[in-house]
Amino acid sequence: DQQVKQNSPSLSVQEGRISILNCDYTNSMFDYFLWYKKYPAEGPTFLISISSIKDKNEDGRFTVFLNKSAKHLSLHIVPSQPGDSAVYFCAASANNQGGKLIFGQGTELSVKP
Amino acid sequence: DTAVSQTPKYLVTQMGNDKSIKCEQNLGHDTMYWYKQDSKKFLKIMFSYNNKELIINETVPNRFSPKSPDKAHLNLHINSLELGDSAVYFCASSQGRGQVTQYFGPGTRLLVL
Repeated sequence: DQQVKQNSPSLSVQEGRISILNCDYTNSMFDYFLWYKKYPAEGPTFLISISSIKDKNEDGRFTVFLNKSAKHLSLHIVPSQPGDSAVYFCAASANNQGGKLIFGQGTELSVKP
Repeated sequence: DTAVSQTPKYLVTQMGNDKSIKCEQNLGHDTMYWYKQDSKKFLKIMFSYNNKELIINETVPNRFSPKSPDKAHLNLHINSLELGDSAVYFCASSQGRGQVTQYFGPGTRLLVL
């Protein structure tokens, strides 16, 4: 039972355009959501997060949107750069779970020059 | 000045052997985690320790035993290795019990032959 799903295994975007990565979840107890970026042969790197009391969080070129009614979040990268090419993981956590993160299966983003 | 480090980075071994993976963090965090990334790329939590106390113990075979000598170290010992144990194992840390923003090590790639 996959509680966090990233239905697009891959995404290709032109440099300078917007990248939109999507994530859906099923557990209504999740109250904190994170995006991680992962390069090959490296560990995931924390990118941005959002609490369930917000619907948007922005950090430079990265913005995360949360739609609780739809149980959906998305990561927008504007403008996309070739260095953004990586696998992006969505993760979720519930307050009473001791920091346990539930990850999606990842979306591989390719930004072409 | 690596924040979360793991050794070894690669581990190739025969079925039935016993092996250990070490993790150290110099971030001053008090909570550490082990995650497993399987062949389908899912990242799943295995264990979590807070100040040397086990706080998360997912459904993991008894052959896996975490050990935390102090809050900066969390080692993973695996007995009687099986083919299905082949995966990438990531260590992570965070500040505070239940703090979900976690920082990951580079991973240990385990191959059981």
